[in-house]
Amino acid sequence: KQEVTQIPAALSVPEGENLVLNCSFTDSAIYNLQWFRQDPGKGLTSLLLIQSSQREQTSGRLNASLDKSSGRSTLYIAASQPGDSATYLCAVKHTGTASKLTFGTGTRLQVTL
Amino acid sequence: DAGVTQSPTHLIKTRGQQVTLRCSPKSGHDTVSWYQQALGQGPQFIFQYYEEEERQRGNFPDRFSGHQFPNYSSELNVNALLLGDSALYLCASSLGGLTGELFFGEGSRLTVL
Repeated sequence: KQEVTQIPAALSVPEGENLVLNCSFTDSAIYNLQWFRQDPGKGLTSLLLIQSSQREQTSGRLNASLDKSSGRSTLYIAASQPGDSATYLCAVKHTGTASKLTFGTGTRLQVTL
Repeated sequence: DAGVTQSPTHLIKTRGQQVTLRCSPKSGHDTVSWYQQALGQGPQFIFQYYEEEERQRGNFPDRFSGHQFPNYSSELNVNALLLGDSALYLCASSLGGLTGELFFGEGSRLTVL
């Protein structure tokens, strides 16, 4: 059974700091991994999708890496801003149950002025 | 280009009642998935519909049922509501292949009293 863990559960950083969010998964047989952002009480916004054959993806100040063999992904946020404050979720699509995403419980990020 | 739309946004029901939630997928998408997100948790997969058939189901009781229409829109029905069904219900759409990116709606917040 695929399990996804995100560390830390919560993080508070001052504006302008670079930061890394971590995601680990127990079964490396995945199609892809997706990072999402969720504002309080809202839906999920897709940030980055990394296919199993890829090592990283970049979008603006965000960079996500994938090490499938070790079951790890990181989301790097450069020059953080107060508007980045949200919960960040990672999710994997396992080859055995390819229709569904298995989510972690998220990292709640607060960027302070 | 309209994204994934869900209705209603909020609703309150009492125990034992039935509820229907609706979802219109992103333009061009033919696959709809439903997720339940309890407070402070990551979303949990309920089921996925493709070509009007349930393609895969998560670990949810038969009280949870769904339907997909020829225009790819979908409904989630929950019968005999329990207090524990209170959650944010999220709809996601994708293009039929197994490696596609999922796009989520804003969700329907269900409160069961």
